[in-house]
Amino acid sequence: KAGVTQTPRYLIKTRGQQVTLSCSPISGHRSVSWYQQTPGQGLQFLFEYFSETQRNKGNFPGRFSGRQFSNSRSEMNVSTLELGDSALYLCASSFYLGRQGSGETQYFGPGTRLLVL
Amino acid sequence: EDKVVQSPLSLVVHEGDTVTLNCSYEVTNFRSLLWYKQEKKAPTFLFMLTSSGIEKKSGRLSSILDKKELFSILNITATQTGDSAIYLCAVEGYNNNDMRFGAGTRLTVKP
Repeated sequence: KAGVTQTPRYLIKTRGQQVTLSCSPISGHRSVSWYQQTPGQGLQFLFEYFSETQRNKGNFPGRFSGRQFSNSRSEMNVSTLELGDSALYLCASSFYLGRQGSGETQYFGPGTRLLVL
Repeated sequence: EDKVVQSPLSLVVHEGDTVTLNCSYEVTNFRSLLWYKQEKKAPTFLFMLTSSGIEKKSGRLSSILDKKELFSILNITATQTGDSAIYLCAVEGYNNNDMRFGAGTRLTVKP
């Protein structure tokens, strides 16, 4: 069965622009979580979607938003990009509400590396 | 404020050595602690710990949680070069719904 896919894999933007990242979960999975990874901050949770609804949210500004479609595919949008938004953005999917604490195993995609100049 | 602190930040060992990675935490209404291994990009799940004193094992890796002292350790015995990676610790609480990650320990295993 195909794994989690993320597009694009690499992206270069300039400050002030906006960006949309896409994540396709494993077939049958209904939960998609997004994470940001930077060298200084490590891995940070952004938000989680389940059945087209945002269920959990991390501590990020409103410039970071997302949505989930009826086929469980998810998009993440970052508006008014800042240099500090340069990071690896990871998406993870699971069958039910995703974090490991719920007993569900999360499967991560390869990530989208965003560089903001 | 919730926090997760991992130590050491980096570690260099030789094949065959045993390593112990530490994760201490402060979180409101602790629910679980998780260990991940990150090699190139996406982290892979290793263990989930919810109860004190119960060791979880998977091959050469094992982990245990101490909820009284608020820490966990990840042990790797007979290390191999393939164990070289960043090991991440994350903690979940019942109150907030996000995961708090530590900065990670970068393990390098030399032949």
